[in-house]
Amino acid sequence: ETGVTQTPRHLVMGMTNKKSLKCEQHLGHNAMYWYKQSAKKPLELMFVYSLEERVENNSVPSRFSPECPNSSHLFLHLHTLQPEDSALYLCASSLDGATNEKLFFGSGTQLSVL
Amino acid sequence: DAKTTQPTSMDCAEGRAANLPCNHSTISGNEYVYWYRQIHSQGPQYIIHGLKNNETNEMASLIITEDRKSSTLILPHATLRDTAVYYCIVTRTGANNLFFGTGTRLTVIP
Repeated sequence: ETGVTQTPRHLVMGMTNKKSLKCEQHLGHNAMYWYKQSAKKPLELMFVYSLEERVENNSVPSRFSPECPNSSHLFLHLHTLQPEDSALYLCASSLDGATNEKLFFGSGTQLSVL
Repeated sequence: DAKTTQPTSMDCAEGRAANLPCNHSTISGNEYVYWYRQIHSQGPQYIIHGLKNNETNEMASLIITEDRKSSTLILPHATLRDTAVYYCIVTRTGANNLFFGTGTRLTVIP
């Protein structure tokens, strides 16, 4: 148990669907992250939020839309995804977005786009 | 951030020490060495980090060479639950983008 909870654990969606991934941290951290892990590829940073403000957006397509309503919750809204977006989506948090020495990861959402 | 080079895979007998090497010959003076591991179907887990001195915690020890161009993560008594992909990451304090690379897949054998 890392203190970072992601739901759902598995998600199957069609290309025309709209779905959301949820992440919640119980660690009192101020920074939250979305990472993408495709099969046999390194983790890719997607978004970083620090104190509920987006501080990093690594050229992620607009079909991925993050939302951070407060420092404990992070969402990733998905719409009109492509099959190549199938991957493990990982949420992480850290105490301070300026120093990422310890990232605490959730177990991820395994997404399949049909 | 400096690049790292790790072996693709390693085996270790259960109960023996697992020594995982990492080369980071282009490391800068303000860059730290971090280690994370990822057990199958889970998110990565922080293990340890260091700047110059050797470090030890309840999970592992980190040995950094004097010139800081390489390091070794040591799991003193490997168990089957230590089977995972281990990532060596070099990054400066303040960076918010850790590059995980492909890591070393450690298999602990009974």
